[in-house]
Amino acid sequence: DAKTTQPNSMESNEEEPVHLPCNHSTISGTDYIHWYRQLPSQGPEYVIHGLTSNVNNRMASLAIAEDRKSSTLILHRATLRDAAVYYCILRDRNAGNMLTFGGGTRLMVKP
Amino acid sequence: EPEVTQTPSHQVTQMGQEVILRCVPISNHLYFYWYRQILGQKVEFLVSFYNNEISEKSEIFDDQFSVERPDGSNFTLKIRSTKLEDSAMYFCASSATGVGANVLTFGAGSRLTVL
Repeated sequence: DAKTTQPNSMESNEEEPVHLPCNHSTISGTDYIHWYRQLPSQGPEYVIHGLTSNVNNRMASLAIAEDRKSSTLILHRATLRDAAVYYCILRDRNAGNMLTFGGGTRLMVKP
Repeated sequence: EPEVTQTPSHQVTQMGQEVILRCVPISNHLYFYWYRQILGQKVEFLVSFYNNEISEKSEIFDDQFSVERPDGSNFTLKIRSTKLEDSAMYFCASSATGVGANVLTFGAGSRLTVL
């Protein structure tokens, strides 16, 4: 899987939007951009994924740069429950289904 | 919402003992996975399983590890002779086929402590 780069940690205030960046300058044309998160003492949880276009779901939005070399996960109103490690992962759609987790970004949400 | 169930939630074992971790994937999913996370470290891929055989495995998944789908609902990870360094959280995951294969659903994990 191609490498992604994320900040180690970020802080946010409750009820404010959060923009979590991810750089993936070596992304290939067949790589999907996936985001998972891991709440404390839990397994990873799917958040969102996309290929080229921006995506929205009930949890978050994914903004993908036009050149696909970076993307941003947007939490529209952070809650205390959103405090977690967020992982940006590239998965080649022509390869297997395995995910390669990096270090992720630890998001801290302040009340 | 459908979920992946793992048992036991915590197992303590002596070095050299065999351990079986159990998982019940989501019922209509056909891809199954095991991952592990050593305390304070990254989530690491171990193995994926489809159509009753291993489809991918990592270097971690050596001869001490095996997986099985003994019946229509369970998916197990066996560690034949545990080592201290096998102490970790083990996560089972499953995914559907087609477009659904993009989304892995993880269980809450089984904590293995090897003494």
